[in-house]
Amino acid sequence: AQSVTQLDSHVSVSEGTPVLLRCNYSSSYSPSLFWYVQHPNKGLQLLLKYTSAATLVKGINGFEAEFKKSETSFHLTKPSAHMSDAAEYFCVVNALRLVSGTYKYIFGTGTRLKVLA
Amino acid sequence: KAGVTQTPRYLIKTRGQQVTLSCSPISGHRSVSWYQQTPGQGLQFLFEYFSETQRNKGNFPGRFSGRQFSNSRSEMNVSTLELGDSALYLCASSLDQSRNTGELFFGEGSRLTVL
Repeated sequence: AQSVTQLDSHVSVSEGTPVLLRCNYSSSYSPSLFWYVQHPNKGLQLLLKYTSAATLVKGINGFEAEFKKSETSFHLTKPSAHMSDAAEYFCVVNALRLVSGTYKYIFGTGTRLKVLA
Repeated sequence: KAGVTQTPRYLIKTRGQQVTLSCSPISGHRSVSWYQQTPGQGLQFLFEYFSETQRNKGNFPGRFSGRQFSNSRSEMNVSTLELGDSALYLCASSLDQSRNTGELFFGEGSRLTVL
């Protein structure tokens, strides 16, 4: 069965320090993986996506993620946190529904990032 | 091009009432899905529509229903509202979820408060 696990529900970093948000997935085939960001009372915005091309994926606002098949991980990183990065982040895996042949997006439980001045 | 538009953004209802939420997808997108987001349960899938047909449904009671029109706009309805229905309802559009064509594009959501 396909699943996604975000290992930290809350992460706090100081402004200017690196960010690491961890995500592990389970999939019986090569998945598509995404990171979304959600600011308070807003919808989800795509940060980046992996769709079986380069394993190191660069996204918007300086974020990047590396797909590691051997570790079934897709961790999100940013070299230097900015106050505006404070938000909730969701790791998402795209899973095939065998019965209908359509794709189901499975969301992690989210990681709330706090950036300290 | 215009993004996903959800209306209304905020609404307050009382228990027992019903509510209708609207979603206009990105032009050219034929798949619309709905999610309920609450602090306790996170993001939960409600249903997905494609070409006016409900293709997939999450594990919600029959009080939750939806439909899609020929122009791909979608509505969802919740009848006999309960306190626990208070949530942010998110609509997402994509080209076609049967072909793994990439990401979902989300609207800003409709914040429903049930008193």
